[in-house]
Amino acid sequence: QKEVEQDPGPLSVPEGAIVSLNCTYSNSAFQYFMWYRQYSRKGPELLMYTYSSGNKEDGRFTAQVDKSSKYISLFIRDSQPSDSATYLCAMAGANSKLTFGKGITLSVRP
Amino acid sequence: DTAVSQTPKYLVTQMGNDKSIKCEQNLGHDTMYWYKQDSKKFLKIMFSYNNKELIINETVPNRFSPKSPDKAHLNLHINSLELGDSAVYFCASSQGVGRVYGYTFGSGTRLTVV
Repeated sequence: QKEVEQDPGPLSVPEGAIVSLNCTYSNSAFQYFMWYRQYSRKGPELLMYTYSSGNKEDGRFTAQVDKSSKYISLFIRDSQPSDSATYLCAMAGANSKLTFGKGITLSVRP
Repeated sequence: DTAVSQTPKYLVTQMGNDKSIKCEQNLGHDTMYWYKQDSKKFLKIMFSYNNKELIINETVPNRFSPKSPDKAHLNLHINSLELGDSAVYFCASSQGVGRVYGYTFGSGTRLTVV
């Protein structure tokens, strides 16, 4: 079993839809949780991060962490065509080494 | 001004060749990384250097040799290239080993081995 599993894609939604992206993990040592966004032919960029269970909101984006279930989610409200990208979850423990999920490609149709 | 720059952006080469990829960051960070992203978008760490010292060395064939001449540069040399080395290689940097939120990635080097 991989340390981090991410829902497979690709995912295609109409503009304005609510998008839910999910990852599960098996390593209890993970304490930092991140979502990266990667546009085509670009490097990943940090979108959201958190270290505690619960929700964290930033504009149209909400990151949710459930440590008891080892489950994290990213919600995108009112999705826009500019949100079309690959989204990668990432996690780290005390050694600060990032472990990434496989990534899911999201396409938002105008 | 590009924060983390990699050269070249694209590299097409034949099996068996030796090639190098260079990375430079102007953010003043002290930790640099090499990641490999395969065709399925899976991103995996290869190496990490902190203040020119190797701190992470994942299970990578010894055909891959990183070199950090100073804090701002991290190069990757690959000997005897194989078809399976085809991937996008990303350089990243951060300030301090413990700062997991502060990674900045370069735009990647797309390596194709034919």
